[in-house]
Amino acid sequence: GAGVSQSPRYKVAKRGQDVALRCDPISGHVSLFWYQQALGQGPEFLTYFQNEAQLDKSGLPSDRFFAERPEGSVSTLKIQRTQQEDSAVYLCASSLEKFTEQFFGPGTRLTVL
Amino acid sequence: QQQVKQSPQSLIVQKGGISIINCAYENTAFDYFPWYQQFPGKGPALLIAIRPDVSEKKEGRFTISFNKSAKQFSLHIMDSQPGDSATYFCAASSAGNQFYFGTGTSLTVIP
Repeated sequence: GAGVSQSPRYKVAKRGQDVALRCDPISGHVSLFWYQQALGQGPEFLTYFQNEAQLDKSGLPSDRFFAERPEGSVSTLKIQRTQQEDSAVYLCASSLEKFTEQFFGPGTRLTVL
Repeated sequence: QQQVKQSPQSLIVQKGGISIINCAYENTAFDYFPWYQQFPGKGPALLIAIRPDVSEKKEGRFTISFNKSAKQFSLHIMDSQPGDSATYFCAASSAGNQFYFGTGTSLTVIP
């Protein structure tokens, strides 16, 4: 498909484990955003990339969260030493350029036991 | 601090009725106001968006009304249908940066 894809769709982790969440943006999209959506809440910004450059990481909740986009396409959000409060849906969005519409992927639902 | 405040939290409307969802913001630097629709298990999908240089935008059954002086904007869904049952989020952004989302409104349209 031509949309944003994310994998895995569901991830269950034991507290303390590291996880890696993948985002495949729409081909050619320059901008990529990560959001965290807690149950019953709106998405909250985590970090933003323009090509491979991480221009804003002000929303990352702790230094356990790390994101990369080394070749300016696929991005990975890594969470180290997961905690129960990390349980949420992690959404990725991409846009053609900075000022254009953001297209969201289906999200990865992370459950930390 | 919630940058965008959304109400109501939930809404039940009869088929054919009008659904109205309201949002308010404080940051006058916001220059883009989209509304997203989200179905369970799916990511948000853009419905309609407005910039502050216009007071209203209509696309099909969906209308955004924007009041710059009051710093409020609302989504109106005309002739609501059961297929419109979903969660709706308003959002705001400035200069193409991150979106600030409201807390969402769960809409149920009763046949």
